[in-house]
Amino acid sequence: AQKVTQAQTEISVVEKEDVTLDCVYETRDTTYYLFWYKQPPSGELVFLIRRNSFDEQNEISGRYSWNFQKSTSSFNFTITASQVVDSAVYFCALSEIESGGGADGLTFGKGTHLIIQP
Amino acid sequence: NAGVTQTPKFRILKIGQSMTLQCTQDMNHNYMYWYRQDPGMGLKLIYYSVGAGITDKGEVPNGYNVSRSTTEDFPLRLELAAPSQTSVYFCASRQFGALGTEAFFGQGTRLTVV
Repeated sequence: AQKVTQAQTEISVVEKEDVTLDCVYETRDTTYYLFWYKQPPSGELVFLIRRNSFDEQNEISGRYSWNFQKSTSSFNFTITASQVVDSAVYFCALSEIESGGGADGLTFGKGTHLIIQP
Repeated sequence: NAGVTQTPKFRILKIGQSMTLQCTQDMNHNYMYWYRQDPGMGLKLIYYSVGAGITDKGEVPNGYNVSRSTTEDFPLRLELAAPSQTSVYFCASRQFGALGTEAFFGQGTRLTVV
């Protein structure tokens, strides 16, 4: 069965520090998608990135970067030079494609509450 | 472009009452989902639908019902509300294709059962 583990329940750093949010997943499929979502204090879920299982290239978008390693089943998220506006709950999610065609939704981790102190 | 719209945003129910959470999307997505979010527990799938007329149970379906008569609408029905159904409910839609497969979420409905 698919599973996503975000072992860090809460992280608190001072503004401008770099911070990495860990995500470890379990799946028996060889074809799957991984996602990161941000949930700011206002409560909505904001899509950040998607990665399919055949694309292990790391990605950088401004201060955000993602490291996907199939060998360790990890999809970690790093924020460089953090800002107070980055404070939010961040969710990692997995969607299996072979099992059920992916129609049965995303499996989410429990989330990491990131607090950026000024 | 509205995306996924949920109503109401907040609701207080008494134990035993019923209600319907509305969800509509204007992206012509085939796949729609209902999740609930409890503090510290992430999101859990309640029901999903792969198209009009087709629904299926997710991880936590007990106490809920859904219907999908159109591509756009996917209401969630709570019968005989219980305190355990106090939660934040999210509706989402999704389409598979070359441009991606992420789910788009509504703003959420915060439900309290007292």
